[in-house]
Amino acid sequence: GESVGLHLPTLSVQEGDNSIINCAYSNSASDYFIWYKQESGKGPQFIIDIRSNMDKRQGQRVTVLLNKTVKHLSLQIAATQPGDSAVYFCAENIGWGPQAGTALIFGKGTTLSVSS
Amino acid sequence: GAGVSQSPSNKVTEKGKDVELRCDPISGHTALYWYRQSLGQGLEFLIYFQGNSAPDKSGLPSDRFSAERTGGSVSTLTIQRTQQEDSAVYLCASSFTGMSNQPQHFGDGTRLSIL
Repeated sequence: GESVGLHLPTLSVQEGDNSIINCAYSNSASDYFIWYKQESGKGPQFIIDIRSNMDKRQGQRVTVLLNKTVKHLSLQIAATQPGDSAVYFCAENIGWGPQAGTALIFGKGTTLSVSS
Repeated sequence: GAGVSQSPSNKVTEKGKDVELRCDPISGHTALYWYRQSLGQGLEFLIYFQGNSAPDKSGLPSDRFSAERTGGSVSTLTIQRTQQEDSAVYLCASSFTGMSNQPQHFGDGTRLSIL
């Protein structure tokens, strides 16, 4: 079936570096994408979202890039800090049809480890 | 608190017993979702509520699983005759209207262990 996947299961960076976490999706009907951060023992925490009519969106220290041509999503974290260590998930939602507004489709996540 | 609240945070029970998991969504959110997360895995969709109705139950893995929502607020997920493969973290999320372009906000989950 169609699903959201991530290129790397783990990513290790030094404090202060910029981190890039990648995600590939396969459902061309998806038109809304979210990045979540999940710390151990916690639920996923919303980081940033982007609609398919945009190709870039910036938040505080984070930027999401969307390339619909190759169905690729990335999360960039500037000046990565030890507190950024967590599992990062991308998720997609289908904006029309029977599934509209319902299930988010999640990938398996990338574990980001930040060393100081 | 302003976030999604789930209880209990942990539940250990014997195989064959029934369990009830509770979710209190963010106040004013009309849409509520249940997901399941197995160890080291992504989230698996179970069921979606809009108000008290469940237009999408497609993710419920078997007829042992059921859920209800009352008063457009609290939801309970019930698992009957639990099996060891039901062990997972059960996560609840809510969103303002259930439109596709709104983020879902998650609780911290119930960690269910079936002995």
